Amino acid sequence: DQQVKQNSPSLSVQEGRISILNCDYTNSMFDYFLWYKKYPAEGPTFLISISSIKDKNEDGRFTVFLNKSAKHLSLHIVPSQPGDSAVYFCAARRHPNAGGTSYGKLTFGQGTILTVHP
Amino acid sequence: NAGVTQTPKFQVLKTGQSMTLQCAQDMNHEYMSWYRQDPGMGLRLIHYSVGAGITDQGEVPNGYNVSRSTTEDFPLRLLSAAPSQTSVYFCASRPGAYTDTQYFGPGTRLTVL
Repeated sequence: DQQVKQNSPSLSVQEGRISILNCDYTNSMFDYFLWYKKYPAEGPTFLISISSIKDKNEDGRFTVFLNKSAKHLSLHIVPSQPGDSAVYFCAARRHPNAGGTSYGKLTFGQGTILTVHP
Repeated sequence: NAGVTQTPKFQVLKTGQSMTLQCAQDMNHEYMSWYRQDPGMGLRLIHYSVGAGITDQGEVPNGYNVSRSTTEDFPLRLLSAAPSQTSVYFCASRPGAYTDTQYFGPGTRLTVL
C-alpha cells in the first residue's frame, strides 16, 4: 500500500521555465511533508518542508504548496536551471502526538526524475 | 567532519551469504535509519534507531538485522542474502526524530546473484 505517491516518473522542462512536481498521500495522519533531491551516485539531500498548518512555504526558487483537503502537495521550481536535474522525492511523517510508534519515521514517494534542458 | 559514511560502495554476494553494511556518522546524531532504494519503489525504511541501544523496524525489515551499540555506528546485517535484496542501500542520520534535515550517506550498491 503506497501511502505517498508520485505518479509522474519523469518530467522534462526547458531552462528558465517552471517545474512542477506533484505528490499525493492517502494517510490522513501525515501532518508534515518534506522534499528531497538526489543526484546520481549520491545520497538524497533535504530541500524544503511544509507543516500541515500552512499551505505554502517558500525558499528561494523553491516553493511547496499543500492542499490538505485533496491530500496533495506540489513543488514548484522557478526558474528551472540545468543543475536542478535530479530525482525528487517527497516524504511524509506523522505528528509526534498522533499516537502509535511512528517516532519520526518518513514515508517516501517513488520519486520523479526532473530533466532541465539548456 | 565526514558526515555519514558507508562501506562498502559496491558488493556482490551469492545467495545465502551473509554480510554487514557499515554506517558511521560523526555529527553526534541520535536518530539513524537504513533505507533501500529500488526502481519504482522510492526509498523504503528498513530499520531505524532513536539512540544507542534502541532500534525498531521500518516498512521492510525482513532479512535484515541492526544494532546500535554506539551513537556513531549503525551497521546493517544481511543474514542470508537473497536476490530480492539486490538494491541500493542508504544510511541516514539526523539530530532527532522530528528534525527536517536528514543527512544521507553515499549509498551501497548490493547485487545478490
